[in-house]
Amino acid sequence: GEQVEQRPPHLSVREGDSAVITCTYTDPNSYYFFWYKQEPGASLQLLMKVFSSTEINEGQGFTVLLNKKDKRLSLNLTAAHPGDSAAYFCAVSDTNAYKVIFGKGTHLHVLP
Amino acid sequence: DAGVTQTPRHEVAEKGQTIILKCEPVSGHNDLFWYRQTKIQGLELLSYFRSKSLMEDGGAFKDRFKAEMLNSSFSTLKIQPTEPKDSAVYLCASSLEDTQYFGPGTRLLVL
Repeated sequence: GEQVEQRPPHLSVREGDSAVITCTYTDPNSYYFFWYKQEPGASLQLLMKVFSSTEINEGQGFTVLLNKKDKRLSLNLTAAHPGDSAAYFCAVSDTNAYKVIFGKGTHLHVLP
Repeated sequence: DAGVTQTPRHEVAEKGQTIILKCEPVSGHNDLFWYRQTKIQGLELLSYFRSKSLMEDGGAFKDRFKAEMLNSSFSTLKIQPTEPKDSAVYLCASSLEDTQYFGPGTRLLVL
């Protein structure tokens, strides 16, 4: 079945620097891709949903890249600020969207 | 629109007790999920309902974990009997089509 590997598990960056989190997946039929943000003590908040047809996805202060050839999904926070400090999770599913496989998460710490 | 709600937010149980966690999905969502979240294992699917029918019961969690959905707006997760290794955050999520929306979770500590 689908496997999702997320790297790095922990990431510290200075305010204003970029932060990149990457997930690789195994199923070439993967169709839906998600990034969630989880602040301490809170639940998972959807950051972005990506379809397999779109390689570059712009959000507010971040970009999500999908490389289907390499089966890689990345989240790039362009100028991190302390409010970005949280755990980030990628998730992947095929067209049966209920079967979502989550990465193990990345704990991002943005230093002022 | 109200999001997914979960109660209680925190629960402390003695080993061997029965506990029941509750979830109310987003109104109109057809799918409901229960997950367990731990630092080591990440998110693990416990149960999945579509239109109140149990579609997946999470295999390894079958013996002591039982999720039910008696109506479209309410689900419970019963853990019986609890063990210390069940200490985790239990998340409920609902979806209409392809995106899951999560509740705030119940943090369970089993002593």
